[in-house]
Amino acid sequence: EPEVTQTPSHQVTQMGQEVILRCVPISNHLYFYWYRQILGQKVEFLVSFYNNEISEKSEIFDDQFSVERPDGSNFTLKIRSTKLEDSAMYFCASSERSNYGYTFGSGTRLTVV
Amino acid sequence: EDQVTQSPEALRLQEGESSSLNCSYTVSGLRGLFWYRQDPGKGPEFLFTLYSAGEEKEKERLKATLTKKESFLHITAPKPEDSATYLCAVQELGTGNQFYFGTGTSLTVIP
Repeated sequence: EPEVTQTPSHQVTQMGQEVILRCVPISNHLYFYWYRQILGQKVEFLVSFYNNEISEKSEIFDDQFSVERPDGSNFTLKIRSTKLEDSAMYFCASSERSNYGYTFGSGTRLTVV
Repeated sequence: EDQVTQSPEALRLQEGESSSLNCSYTVSGLRGLFWYRQDPGKGPEFLFTLYSAGEEKEKERLKATLTKKESFLHITAPKPEDSATYLCAVQELGTGNQFYFGTGTSLTVIP
């Protein structure tokens, strides 16, 4: 069964450093997303990406964050100048159509120290 | 205001003891309602999509139903391997593609 692949599974970074979280969505999917889940809290929307551009973003997704699809298969989330409160599980997801259920990856656990 | 409220927060069942999980939503126009299963430390695993009131979907021991205000996930004769957190999410008409998730119901099935 096709799956969304995320790397790394766990990243520890020092406060103020930049991190790049990587994702390989399912190949025939057109819509890509990043969500995050702080421990014990809801899954929260960050950004959606379609046709090589951001289609919508949440209030969380400020200038600290950026996304890129550098080639035909990868989808990345960059977090500049990380803060302690950025510690969370970050999930990449993709879907074939905008109102279909997403397929989520297994997540990257980001720990900012 | 929360768009999605799930209850109960936690549920313990004996193996074989059927029950239902509730997801109530307050979006003005529903584009879709989605059920996911999440195991600890893992990403949500897609279960069902429901688009309109009256719709039902089934998969093994799980059945999802939808009304104009809520959805139920019915679990029939659960097994220990059904233990997980079950998440409900909605997509609202006119607000793009994002999902609004509930806080989930943590289900434990005791052998």
